[in-house]
Amino acid sequence: ETGVTQSPTHLIKTRGQQVTLRCSSQSGHNTVSWYQQALGQGPQFIFQYYREEENGRGNFPPRFSGLQFPNYSSELNVNALELDDSALYLCASSPSGPGGETQYFGPGTRLLVL
Amino acid sequence: DQQVKQNSPSLSVQEGRISILNCDYTNSMFDYFLWYKKYPAEGPTFLISISSIKDKNEDGRFTVFLNKSAKHLSLHIVPSQPGDSAVYFCAARSAGGTSYGKLTFGQGTILTVHP
Repeated sequence: ETGVTQSPTHLIKTRGQQVTLRCSSQSGHNTVSWYQQALGQGPQFIFQYYREEENGRGNFPPRFSGLQFPNYSSELNVNALELDDSALYLCASSPSGPGGETQYFGPGTRLLVL
Repeated sequence: DQQVKQNSPSLSVQEGRISILNCDYTNSMFDYFLWYKKYPAEGPTFLISISSIKDKNEDGRFTVFLNKSAKHLSLHIVPSQPGDSAVYFCAARSAGGTSYGKLTFGQGTILTVHP
């Protein structure tokens, strides 16, 4: 059974650019959540996708957007990158819809904005 | 507004002894609590969880205790092993509303187990 995978593992962008991060959920998992982890902090919830629709959003501006595809994989898009967007971006999947009790995390994508 | 807090940034323990990691929360709407372990350059790994209707859950060397009246939970690791050295995050799940299913994390505690 393949766990949650994310790509790329790391990338460098400049301020004002746009970035797309990708996540493949664990087999059989239909719900995907995205988190941002700044250095020295715990992960912060960005949003969750279920049945290809956004199902809950944290305190992040609209330039953070996402998609979920029919195979449950997901993308996180960030427009107009700012220096403070530099962080580890984590994707987590769960098998039982938004009410699923446990989320399983991928290894993350480390984004550096210069 | 930090709804989940881990007040100890670090903890150092001798191999074979007990490690106790603590977590406090403020939101009564949390219905499920989880502990994750994180190594550098990896994503968080699920360890153990507990429902808000229980006060204890055990899995091998790991036990989580929940005190709802005090809004406090703790993770006990017995006996501690050097491979347990990692950052430990406490997380709480929102029970409903627009935040249903959202996990709120603490800041993490760095556990170091010395041989």
